[in-house]
Amino acid sequence: QLQLQESGPGLVKPSETLSLTCTVSGGSISSSSYYWGWIRQPPGKGLEWIGSIYYSGSTYYNPSLKSRVTISVDTSKNQFSLKLSSVTAADTAVYYCVSSSGWYAPERYWGQGTLVTVSS
Amino acid sequence: QSVLTQPPSASGTPGQRVTISCSGSSSNIGSNTVNWYQQLPGTAPKLLIYSNNQRPSGVPDRFSGSKSGTSASLAISGLQSEDEADYYCAAWDDSLRVFGTGTKVTVL
Repeated sequence: QLQLQESGPGLVKPSETLSLTCTVSGGSISSSSYYWGWIRQPPGKGLEWIGSIYYSGSTYYNPSLKSRVTISVDTSKNQFSLKLSSVTAADTAVYYCVSSSGWYAPERYWGQGTLVTVSS
Repeated sequence: QSVLTQPPSASGTPGQRVTISCSGSSSNIGSNTVNWYQQLPGTAPKLLIYSNNQRPSGVPDRFSGSKSGTSASLAISGLQSEDEADYYCAAWDDSLRVFGTGTKVTVL
């Protein structure tokens, strides 16, 4: 049973870069069995897919965020990370790390989520 | 950026049947399978239905899903107080993962 846990600053200043890490337990991030991704949810609003990464390093991003997003994997720490640059108040949201068993498979495992607020 | 449309709210009394619709297009629901997620207050979403109508282990059989053309539905039979939550549909739209606008289910 995979377990995911997000970590990172809860407050980021406008124009800076948001950085979050997801620590995976109960499975290897190098496994070909999983895709790893990020989904966010602004307060009181719906879900937005940010992007996904495969163990090989192949990445897939939401076109609306693609110019500002980087998702990467650190196999030595069994972690994957999210970087979102040039943030504004519109990026304030709960950020979830997720995992699925295939590219078109549903997100079966979710972290508890972490609230990131963009404010000066 | 939700491209799947759901009613904002639905309600019912305990024991009743509640149905939630999810409307999309030929590029998402019309071409790919639909998943449903349940989000209890203050918690992360949980996979409720995958591949249109399949329940993960542990999901009660009073939850059921269906799909027809470019629309999908989630039905909750025998509504219980613990079903009060937000529900989201999801599908792939080419290489973009899209979610529904969400439906808040209230148990009266």
